[in-house]
Amino acid sequence: NAGVMQNPRHLVRRRGQEARLRCSPMKGHSHVYWYRQLPEEGLKFMVYLQKENIIDESGMPKERFSAEFPKEGPSILRIQQVVRGDSAAYFCASSPFGTVSGGTEAFFGQGTRLTVV
Amino acid sequence: QQPVQSPQAVILREGEDAVINCSSSKALYSVHWYRQKHGEAPVFLMILLKGGEQKGHEKISASFNEKKQQSSLYLTASQLSYSGTYFCGTESGSQGNLIFGKGTKLSVKP
Repeated sequence: NAGVMQNPRHLVRRRGQEARLRCSPMKGHSHVYWYRQLPEEGLKFMVYLQKENIIDESGMPKERFSAEFPKEGPSILRIQQVVRGDSAAYFCASSPFGTVSGGTEAFFGQGTRLTVV
Repeated sequence: QQPVQSPQAVILREGEDAVINCSSSKALYSVHWYRQKHGEAPVFLMILLKGGEQKGHEKISASFNEKKQQSSLYLTASQLSYSGTYFCGTESGSQGNLIFGKGTKLSVKP
């Protein structure tokens, strides 16, 4: 029973390139959350998605960042025209229901460490 | 709305106890506690749903006050393996969103 899978684990991009981060939730989970973490800092919420729907994207920067969770396949966090300040660890978590409706835990992936050079 | 955690950092000797607090200005649906070790993913510890609830996990337990605005995590007789950063995650809205505090860094020394 595989856990939440994120890939790649490490990603290096030059300024101006695009970064695509993938998150495959645990089997049976239809809710995905994306968080960003800078070194020695907390988990900053970015976006919450259900299959084919964005529920809350209040933590997403207005430009260059987008997220999707299609009916088939992993959730994708896309960062266009990356800048040095985008360097961080990006974690996704999944849960079978929305956490508020069942009090269920969210399981985290191992994260993608993005470095912009 | 981000919950407030305190203290920011704690240094303990093995066997000592610690309390980590998590508070919000408004009532919460639930509180989730996680521990993250350096370079690793956060690992789930426990969820509290009801006002007045207390829950335990080996020597780590937590409480949720009656007003559902504050939770505390209790670590007793700490072990070296307890070192890490502890985060509380809270739900305050109907969307099921999970917002984390800034974390409390716990260091247990021999």
